[in-house]
Amino acid sequence: KAGVTQTPRYLIKTRGQQVTLSCSPISGHRSVSWYQQTPGQGLQFLFEYFSETQRNKGNFPGRFSGRQFSNSRSEMNVSTLELGDSALYLCASSSSPGQITDTQYFGPGTRLTVL
Amino acid sequence: KQEVTQIPAALSVPEGENLVLNCSFTDSAIYNLQWFRQDPGKGLTSLLLIQSSQREQTSGRLNASLDKSSGRSTLYIAASQPGDSATYLCAVRPRNQGAQKLVFGQGTRLTINP
Repeated sequence: KAGVTQTPRYLIKTRGQQVTLSCSPISGHRSVSWYQQTPGQGLQFLFEYFSETQRNKGNFPGRFSGRQFSNSRSEMNVSTLELGDSALYLCASSSSPGQITDTQYFGPGTRLTVL
Repeated sequence: KQEVTQIPAALSVPEGENLVLNCSFTDSAIYNLQWFRQDPGKGLTSLLLIQSSQREQTSGRLNASLDKSSGRSTLYIAASQPGDSATYLCAVRPRNQGAQKLVFGQGTRLTINP
């Protein structure tokens, strides 16, 4: 079974631009979560989608948004990029988000650099 | 608000040693605790998941324990190898913050010297 895939793997943008990142979960997984990882703040939860609905959102400004499609693939969008948005963005999928044994499987991440 | 702390931030040991990584969390209301491994610039690999009702889990040379009442978990690595060098992260899944949100520690960067 293929793992979680994320595209692109690397991105360089300038301040003020917007960016869209993509995540394809493991086949059969309907839950997708997004995390931001920076050296200073570590890993922080952005949002979670299940069956095309956002179920949970972290403490990030409205410039960060996401969506999920009917095939469970997910995208996240960051508008009006700031230097502080430079980070590794990780996507995770799981099959049974309501169960306490549920395990999240992470993709390789997208490295975003904002200049 | 749930907070997760990992000590030490970095650890360097010679090959072959047994070692323990520590993780503490402030709120015992959790569904489970997960240990991950992250290689430089890469994603996270799940190592072990311990449900809140369990005391420990084992996988090969790895053993993770959970003491929910004291808010502590340890990851024991036996007979360490250079390939074990990576950053190890623990994460808890709180009961009161949505089904999927994980709260991570800052990680312990482990170096195994040949």
